[in-house]
Amino acid sequence: AQSVTQLDSHVSVSEGTPVLLRCNYSSSYSPSLFWYVQHPNKGLQLLLKYTSAATLVKGINGFEAEFKKSETSFHLTKPSAHMSDAAEYFCVVSDWEPARQLTFGSGTQLTVLP
Amino acid sequence: DADVTQTPRNRITKTGKRIMLECSQTKGHDRMYWYRQDPGLGLRLIYYSFDVKDINKGEISDGYSVSRQAQAKFSLSLESAIPNQTALYFCATSDGGQGSTDTQYFGPGTRLTVL
Repeated sequence: AQSVTQLDSHVSVSEGTPVLLRCNYSSSYSPSLFWYVQHPNKGLQLLLKYTSAATLVKGINGFEAEFKKSETSFHLTKPSAHMSDAAEYFCVVSDWEPARQLTFGSGTQLTVLP
Repeated sequence: DADVTQTPRNRITKTGKRIMLECSQTKGHDRMYWYRQDPGLGLRLIYYSFDVKDINKGEISDGYSVSRQAQAKFSLSLESAIPNQTALYFCATSDGGQGSTDTQYFGPGTRLTVL
């Protein structure tokens, strides 16, 4: 069985400072890992994905995440927050079985302060 | 035009009513999914379909049914709506990519309120 734990339900940063959103996963197989972003009253947009290639994954809007198998972590980072980054972020794991279903974390709400 | 569309975008209904939420996609994907989102719970899978003849229950299928009318269309029905089905509902599609790269693409969501 697979599971995802997002360690912070809320993160608040000042504009221009680094962002760190933490995610730990549990998986029986070699998982795929994703980060999705949801802006207010919007659908989910794929930020980036890890699929067993490079462990450091670069996504859109300056975000990146590093897959660390030994720590079962897939933390999302950005060097400098922008006001437009304020949104809810979901860490997601997809295992080979059953049928590569997605399991979502509970989400981290990112607030960017001026 | 959006690749994955959902109708309606917002719906308010009463307990006991039958409701259908519709999803259409132009991505040409075989796989389609229905999720519901509740605050603090992330998204949970209701049903999924890997092709027109394949329907599978997800984590929370009780109280819901689905119909895959065509490759591009996947509908979710609440036969007798109840208040705890108030949620944001998302449709998603994927192409069942090679290896583990089965990326899902989401529609804009339908906000359903059951009074």
